[in-house]
Amino acid sequence: EVVLTQSPGILSLSPGDRATLSCRASQSISSNYLVWYQQRPGQAPRLLIYGASSRATGIPDRFSGSGSGTDFTLTIRRLEPEDFAVYYCQQSGGSLEWTFGQGTKVEIK
Amino acid sequence: EVQLVEAGGGHVQSGGSLRLSCAASGFAFSSYSMSWVRQAPGKGLEWLSYISSSSSPINYADSVKGRFTVSRDNDIYALYLQMNSLTAEDTAIYYCARAKLFCRDGSCYSNIYYFDSWGQGALVTVSS
Repeated sequence: EVVLTQSPGILSLSPGDRATLSCRASQSISSNYLVWYQQRPGQAPRLLIYGASSRATGIPDRFSGSGSGTDFTLTIRRLEPEDFAVYYCQQSGGSLEWTFGQGTKVEIK
Repeated sequence: EVQLVEAGGGHVQSGGSLRLSCAASGFAFSSYSMSWVRQAPGKGLEWLSYISSSSSPINYADSVKGRFTVSRDNDIYALYLQMNSLTAEDTAIYYCARAKLFCRDGSCYSNIYYFDSWGQGALVTVSS
């Protein structure tokens, strides 16, 4: 089973800052498998990025994803107030099983 | 607009059963695979089950295999999760999610899905 480890656990930043979130896989995975979600307080998760780097419909271009192998990154170019939330990476390994990272909380500094 | 609405959550005693439903609208339900994902209070996301558009194949996480059963009725745009032998560890918000097949540059990849739409969730509380 592929384990995803996200870091840091909490990221304290100010509006306008750049956020860099990491997701590390316990073994090499195809970039096609890597997905990012955003979850605001009291809300359901929302798809942000799929295939490591493709933005979902309606997602602003300040969100970008990158990476390959075991190391993947979600970057938020300039934080807006609505971006303070928890972010999860997920891998869909082609075996009809999915695993999530434990999440990174982006909080207001 | 894609909508997924869960129902059937509530309080149940340990060892009891509950059936969740997810009403879908705004898309061709019979063309999509679906999944259930849960989130324990203050915790992260846990994938639970997958069901293809035709109800085969189906898959479960080890944590619920043998206790939970996923099913669907394409005629009425409904997804279900039958949960038996519930314990306090099953206390969570349960989300249904639409599974979209991954495609890029004109090619689609079988068995690679991501969850592009989610319901608002149904709270299940199991008391011991």
